[in-house]
Amino acid sequence: DTGVSQDPRHKITKRGQNVTFRCDPISEHNRLYWYRQTLGQGPEFLTYFQNEAQLEKSRLLSDRFSAERPKGSFSTLEIQRTEQGDSAMYLCASSLVSQPSPLHFGNGTRLTVT
Amino acid sequence: DQQVKQNSPSLSVQEGRISILNCDYTNSMFDYFLWYKKYPAEGPTFLISISSIKDKNEDGRFTVFLNKSAKHLSLHIVPSQPGDSAVYFCAAWGNEKLTFGTGTRLTIIP
Repeated sequence: DTGVSQDPRHKITKRGQNVTFRCDPISEHNRLYWYRQTLGQGPEFLTYFQNEAQLEKSRLLSDRFSAERPKGSFSTLEIQRTEQGDSAMYLCASSLVSQPSPLHFGNGTRLTVT
Repeated sequence: DQQVKQNSPSLSVQEGRISILNCDYTNSMFDYFLWYKKYPAEGPTFLISISSIKDKNEDGRFTVFLNKSAKHLSLHIVPSQPGDSAVYFCAAWGNEKLTFGTGTRLTIIP
């Protein structure tokens, strides 16, 4: 069990630039989730996939955010025209579709927008 | 609209004593509840869970209690150890996703 892997661990970017994060879930898990965590808050749901289908997007996810999971394996989260308010920890998690079951989280990508 | 609330941002407990972390929720559709532990610079790690059809679940030093009528759950850690110092998040399952509380920072004093 290699766990959920996220890359990069840290990203510093200037306002207005685009960034892309990658998540590799646990191999047999068919559900993949993206969450965002800011200081002093719990993780907030952004979106989730079952296999390659994106089934729900939070209203927190503005049109500058897009997520994909093209072959039902790894996923990418892209933020276009970054703003300082996008600075946060972006967490990826995976699980089996048989519910309910715990989500298994990666160690996150910390984004800092200057 | 905070559907899962952890009203104590921090808690300090002497090593060897019992730690009790509390969580309240508002959405009666939640049917599965979890506790996660988080160390700095790491993702949340699953600790223990409980289904809404139960009122108690135990795993070693960790016990979770659920009071559905009060929409309240708690995590008991006994005896508390220095390695338990971390941020603890309560989470509730509903609509195919987890909703998290804001966390409680537990500090175990040697």
